[in-house]
Amino acid sequence: GQQLNQSPQSMFIQEGEDVSMNCTSSSIFNTWLWYKQDPGEGPVLLIALYKAGELTSNGRLTAQFGITRKDSFLNISASIPSDVGIYFCAGPNSGAGSYQLTFGKGTKLSVIP
Amino acid sequence: KAGVTQTPRYLIKTRGQQVTLSCSPISGHRSVSWYQQTPGQGLQFLFEYFSETQRNKGNFPGRFSGRQFSNSRSEMNVSTLELGDSALYLCASSYNTGFSYGYTFGSGTRLTVV
Repeated sequence: GQQLNQSPQSMFIQEGEDVSMNCTSSSIFNTWLWYKQDPGEGPVLLIALYKAGELTSNGRLTAQFGITRKDSFLNISASIPSDVGIYFCAGPNSGAGSYQLTFGKGTKLSVIP
Repeated sequence: KAGVTQTPRYLIKTRGQQVTLSCSPISGHRSVSWYQQTPGQGLQFLFEYFSETQRNKGNFPGRFSGRQFSNSRSEMNVSTLELGDSALYLCASSYNTGFSYGYTFGSGTRLTVV
């Protein structure tokens, strides 16, 4: 089946630093989604990308849909303590009528005040 | 507007028992999907319901089942619980199938099997 590989698995950064994480796949995805999950909560959608090469921002977050359709990255600028959490990339499985999401294993972000 | 509501939030069951989890989608949403989240396997798709019909099913044994009611509320059932079924079970709702319609997760039900 399709798999998404996220890196890094975890990262510790100082407050105010910029963060970059990425997601790669051996398969083509037509949509890339980035979620954040806080402890004890469900994932919350941060950014959705629908077109190869697309660059989309949401406040301090910027994500890009790779032109090969096999990768995506998420940048967070000027990190703050509330950015702490696990960030997941996800994409819909291929196949007619198939709308299940495949998730990466996540990048755990820790921000040191 | 109210989000996706999952009940109960926490549950402890004994191996061999069965359990039913409930999900109330956002008002107007007709698609409900269920995911299992564990530290080892991450988030894995269980099944999706749209207008009371199961449209997609993930690679889980038959002990995992679900249904959707006419008001779009959904339940999932796990029979003959095993220790490995301990997980956070998440449901997500959407107005229609397809992610351009928005796909919102609930806070999940934390199931512990002892």
